[in-house]
Amino acid sequence: DAKTTQPPSMDCAEGRAANLPCNHSTISGNEYVYWYRQIHSQGPQYIIHGLKNNETNEMASLIITEDRKSSTLILPHATLRDTAVYYCIVRPSSSNTGKLIFGQGTTLQVKP
Amino acid sequence: GAVVSQHPSWVICKSGTSVKIECRSLDFQATTMFWYRQFPKQSLMLMATSNEGSKATYEQGVEKDKFLINHASLTLSTLTVTSAHPEDSSFYICSASYPGNTIYFGEGSWLTVV
Repeated sequence: DAKTTQPPSMDCAEGRAANLPCNHSTISGNEYVYWYRQIHSQGPQYIIHGLKNNETNEMASLIITEDRKSSTLILPHATLRDTAVYYCIVRPSSSNTGKLIFGQGTTLQVKP
Repeated sequence: GAVVSQHPSWVICKSGTSVKIECRSLDFQATTMFWYRQFPKQSLMLMATSNEGSKATYEQGVEKDKFLINHASLTLSTLTVTSAHPEDSSFYICSASYPGNTIYFGEGSWLTVV
């Protein structure tokens, strides 16, 4: 079973920031938080991951609470092409196998 | 650019025949790859772990004799759906662990069994 909980759907206006929450209250100390997204009929696309510190890359920012029980993925200026299903996944840092268990994710609809 | 590639992107086969899907890691070696299946409006379901040079490890409920996995080289894993039936029609996706431990996915392969 997935160890994360996400809202099933969210809307966001084009050009505004999209903030996607994820609860992972049972996360272990050695587990990373990974975010992927899946645009219709494509394979999942890696977005970002983090352990305890906030992270930022060219796609998004990841904010992890101090107790690590939840996180938020931020798309700073959402575009119509960001419409997708977003998955939050926890994975042990020591894992070298790459096995990911997907939950239902959040369907983000970016509207003009 | 893509680091994991799948082929074919889509395939149609007749019921009772077998079909092979390839998953390649581009410019890196992957001792382990993973195969997922996704039905419409559902999430990805892990089917099996493909191990280079050894037998695949299947998740509970996945028929190993129906979904044959071969990981003969460090850059190629294949999934063969044997004696395909319409209920096997699905989106099949593979993934591999890139150096640095980030997991990347292929583009996916649509299988339609008629």
